[in-house]
Amino acid sequence: NAGVTQTPKFQVLKTGQSMTLQCAQDMNHEYMSWYRQDPGMGLRLIHYSVGAGITDQGEVPNGYNVSRSTTEDFPLRLLSAAPSQTSVYFCASSSWTGGNTEAFFGQGTRLTVV
Amino acid sequence: DQQVKQNSPSLSVQEGRISILNCDYTNSMFDYFLWYKKYPAEGPTFLISISSIKDKNEDGRFTVFLNKSAKHLSLHIVPSQPGDSAVYFCAASPYNDMRFGAGTRLTVKP
Repeated sequence: NAGVTQTPKFQVLKTGQSMTLQCAQDMNHEYMSWYRQDPGMGLRLIHYSVGAGITDQGEVPNGYNVSRSTTEDFPLRLLSAAPSQTSVYFCASSSWTGGNTEAFFGQGTRLTVV
Repeated sequence: DQQVKQNSPSLSVQEGRISILNCDYTNSMFDYFLWYKKYPAEGPTFLISISSIKDKNEDGRFTVFLNKSAKHLSLHIVPSQPGDSAVYFCAASPYNDMRFGAGTRLTVKP
């Protein structure tokens, strides 16, 4: 059972380049989200989705776009990468029932922007 | 503006002893609290949770205590084992998202 799969695991970008971080889950979860982890900051929510076709912003959405065309996939797009976006990115999914449900995380994507 | 704070970046305990990890929050609208454990190069994994209507939840060696008046929760691990060495994140859930603390790195020495 795959759970939450993120690709790629590592990526180096030049400033101004664009890329998409992929996230797929096979648990038929309605809720999916993207976090970034930075030293001393914990995990901060970027964007989330409560179902196909529905997305919303989290704490730090600037510089990132998302869409949710299927239940399984929730890609995160960086349109013009900046060094401040160097971070470890985690995708998570859960069968959302109002907050009291554990989230399952992918293994993360380590992104470096030079 | 961090709404969930873990003020101890690290904690070191001896195997067999109790580990106590602390977490404070500022938003009284938080109604559900979770602890996640993270090993290097892996994603966080769920450990234990507690609803705001309770003050204690126990699961094996892990117990979470919630003090709503103080906006404080703690995770107790008894007895601590070397395999518990990891980063522990406290998280709080208002409605449609989860807010995390900065994490506490626990080291359990044999």
